[in-house]
Amino acid sequence: GQSLEQPSEVTAVEGAIVQINCTYQTSGFYGLSWYQQHDGGAPTFLSYNALDGLEETGRFSSFLSRSDSYGYLLLQELQMKDSASYFCACLRDNYGQNFVFGPGTRLSVLP
Amino acid sequence: DADVTQTPRNRITKTGKRIMLECSQTKGHDRMYWYRQDPGLGLRLIYYSFDVKDINKGEISDGYSVSRQAQAKFSLSLESAIPNQTALYFCATSGGPYNEQFFGPGTRLTVL
Repeated sequence: GQSLEQPSEVTAVEGAIVQINCTYQTSGFYGLSWYQQHDGGAPTFLSYNALDGLEETGRFSSFLSRSDSYGYLLLQELQMKDSASYFCACLRDNYGQNFVFGPGTRLSVLP
Repeated sequence: DADVTQTPRNRITKTGKRIMLECSQTKGHDRMYWYRQDPGLGLRLIYYSFDVKDINKGEISDGYSVSRQAQAKFSLSLESAIPNQTALYFCATSGGPYNEQFFGPGTRLTVL
């Protein structure tokens, strides 16, 4: 089977750093993606890790440890506009680009 | 203009009715997907298509069917809608070096 686990909610203040964890158990694994979704909006792509280690894109970084079946999204210098839901997703089929999504973490950024 | 469009954006229907959700894309991607989103469950894959001749079931295909009319068009049908199919439905395409998925704006479907 396939399952991904994320915390359901995280709260932080503006300017802080927050880490959203994701653990996964899938029959096939090629990489881990992160998506952001604002209320009423569509998911948008943030990052993708195929190999172990840290990928940095501006204020956002994503980490993967394949041996631990674990990854995280790190958001720095939080802004109010970062309040959204964040989903991790495992790529389980490289040809079909077939993803399994986690249940999502709702991040609330307080002033 | 949006790269991935969905029609309708909102639909209310009654139990037993047939309904079709449509998706069009201008990204030129071969791979297209239909997901449903329910609160607390994330996105679950209904069907996906590699090209017009290749359609595959996802994890929750029961009660749904799809048609890939062209590279740019992928429609989802509910032959006989039931209330537990009330959800937010997203169409997506896939491409690029990071296996990025590009989502449409979503269709909010309510089955009474």
